[in-house]
Amino acid sequence: SQQGEEDPQALSIQEGENATMNCSYKTSINNLQWYRQNSGRGLVHLILIRSNEREKHSGRLRVTLDTSKKSSSLLITASRAADTASYFCATPSTGRRALTFGSGTRLQVQP
Amino acid sequence: DAMVIQNPRYQVTQFGKPVTLSCSQTLNHNVMYWYQQKSSQAPKLLFHYYDKDFNNEADTPDNFQSRRPNTSFCFLDIRSPGLGDAAMYLCATSRDMSLAGEHIQYFGAGTRLSVL
Repeated sequence: SQQGEEDPQALSIQEGENATMNCSYKTSINNLQWYRQNSGRGLVHLILIRSNEREKHSGRLRVTLDTSKKSSSLLITASRAADTASYFCATPSTGRRALTFGSGTRLQVQP
Repeated sequence: DAMVIQNPRYQVTQFGKPVTLSCSQTLNHNVMYWYQQKSSQAPKLLFHYYDKDFNNEADTPDNFQSRRPNTSFCFLDIRSPGLGDAAMYLCATSRDMSLAGEHIQYFGAGTRLSVL
């Protein structure tokens, strides 16, 4: 099973609304990342939050991390049609220089 | 200013005909990764290189091989593609010296492989 599971799997909202995506993971981590993937393209790193941080902001993005619940959330405020993409959380793979990606949330922002 | 470049963007091959996908980077990163991604799924790591050190995932089929002749280039060889190998193949790089570090990865745009 995947280290990261995300919900919802798909989310459709109107432009201007906020979008919240959640990620749960299984093992202890020292950081968690979020990536975005536009349709048919590669992934783009959005933000990294360390295990000693509870919240981090970057522009319209807000990420929280709850290590006691092994969960993270990504909030996109005032969404735009251009935010339409899939969003993946990623955690370090134990003992390897690699990441394990969650199952992803497909966000559709209607203009 | 593309930093991780994958060629070609689209590749069509025939069932059983070997195919090679290429990836180059201008970031001088020491780690390079190959992922397979099928529709609406998460990227699945096939293998990665830490410098010249090859690290294969346990469930990567033998049909998939990789070469990294130098820091900048990495190739994915599929020896006998089957219909189930049709997917997007993503190359990524990262610069990290420690196992416990922060592996921010930089991805190419991907190669979409079709198998006829």
